[in-house]
Amino acid sequence: GAGVSQSPSNKVTEKGKDVELRCDPISGHTALYWYRQSLGQGLEFLIYFQGNSAPDKSGLPSDRFSAERTGGSVSTLTIQRTQQEDSAVYLCASRLETYNSPLHFGNGTRLTVT
Amino acid sequence: GDSVTQMEGPVTLSEEAFLTINCTYTATGYPSLFWYVQYPGEGLQLLLKATKADDKGSNKGFEATYRKETTSFHLEKGSVQVSDSAVYFCALARYGGATNKLIFGTGTLLAVQP
Repeated sequence: GAGVSQSPSNKVTEKGKDVELRCDPISGHTALYWYRQSLGQGLEFLIYFQGNSAPDKSGLPSDRFSAERTGGSVSTLTIQRTQQEDSAVYLCASRLETYNSPLHFGNGTRLTVT
Repeated sequence: GDSVTQMEGPVTLSEEAFLTINCTYTATGYPSLFWYVQYPGEGLQLLLKATKADDKGSNKGFEATYRKETTSFHLEKGSVQVSDSAVYFCALARYGGATNKLIFGTGTLLAVQP
């Protein structure tokens, strides 16, 4: 079946602009995650959605970052007033809420802030 | 807090060489441990996992054993191929309770030369 889909695959924006990144999880996966992958920094957890529960936002680096998940499916990560240090690959992943089910990742959105 | 430390790369090997990528973790209790792989131009995918002490995860000729006494989950393969060239990420998770996120190491780039 279809995997996790992210769009756009690449985004170049000017410093100070807002950007929206989209994630379409695997159908039936109730848990959705956003991670950020920076060169030499590994994968940094940003936010986690689980069903109708309040999201775990503990990884968001600043209040310029926000995310929502509509109807328990598609999620949008928004970065306001982008800075050059926001340049990274933003990865979305989803999983079933069964014990130890693995994360399934999308191919990511490469964000470049000029 | 929980953390994962893995050996820095790049690791460069000749085809058919033996591979070890070290991974150690810091966590309370009994997390689940994972290795994810990211092939060039592709998204992260689960390579193998182990959910309790002394478990051995294996897939595609790769193995890793969950060692509670040394808090380690080293990845090994007896004979690498050029197609194994990728970035390998060690990760831990503690599903259920207050947190459901994967914590990743910084990744190790493996380059296998013919």
